[in-house]
Amino acid sequence: AQSVTQLGSHVSVSEGALVLLRCNYSSSVPPYLFWYVQYPNQGLQLLLKYTTGATLVKGINGFEAEFKKSETSFHLTKPSAHMSDAAEYFCAVSASGSNYKLTFGKGTLLTVNP
Amino acid sequence: NAGVTQTPKFQVLKTGQSMTLQCAQDMNHNSMYWYRQDPGMGLRLIYYSASEGTTDKGEVPNGYNVSRLNKREFSLRLESAAPSQTSVYFCASTPSGYTGELFFGEGSRLTVL
Repeated sequence: AQSVTQLGSHVSVSEGALVLLRCNYSSSVPPYLFWYVQYPNQGLQLLLKYTTGATLVKGINGFEAEFKKSETSFHLTKPSAHMSDAAEYFCAVSASGSNYKLTFGKGTLLTVNP
Repeated sequence: NAGVTQTPKFQVLKTGQSMTLQCAQDMNHNSMYWYRQDPGMGLRLIYYSASEGTTDKGEVPNGYNVSRLNKREFSLRLESAAPSQTSVYFCASTPSGYTGELFFGEGSRLTVL
């Protein structure tokens, strides 16, 4: 079974500051890891994903995340926050042979202050 | 490009009433899912269909039934709605050759009084 823990249900940053959203996972088999973003009144859309290969993955809108197996982490970062980054972010995990099931964390609401 | 379309977008029910949430995708995806989203709970999988003709329970299936009508359509039925089923429901799909990338609809907001 897989699980995800997102540290901090709400993160507030100033425009131009570093964004760091934390995600730790638990998986008994090699995981696939994902970050999704949800803007108000919309569905989720994929930001980035790690399946195999390079552990630093880049996504849309300047976000990136690093898979650290030893720390069971997959934290999301962006060097400089924009007002448009304000949204809810979800970390998710699945196993490569999981019958296609994705397990989501509880989400982190990012607020960007001017 | 419609992607994943859910209907209705909003619905208010009384306890004990039944209803069906409809989902259709036009991307020729094999797998489809129903999730519910509740504040502070993230998204929880209700049912999924790995391929046409198959359905399986997810994390929170009680009180729901599903039908994979064809490759495009995957419906979610509440036979006797309860206030605990007040939630936002999301349908999603993913193509074959699983990569974990889900394509989501815009959600259906259901209130059960």
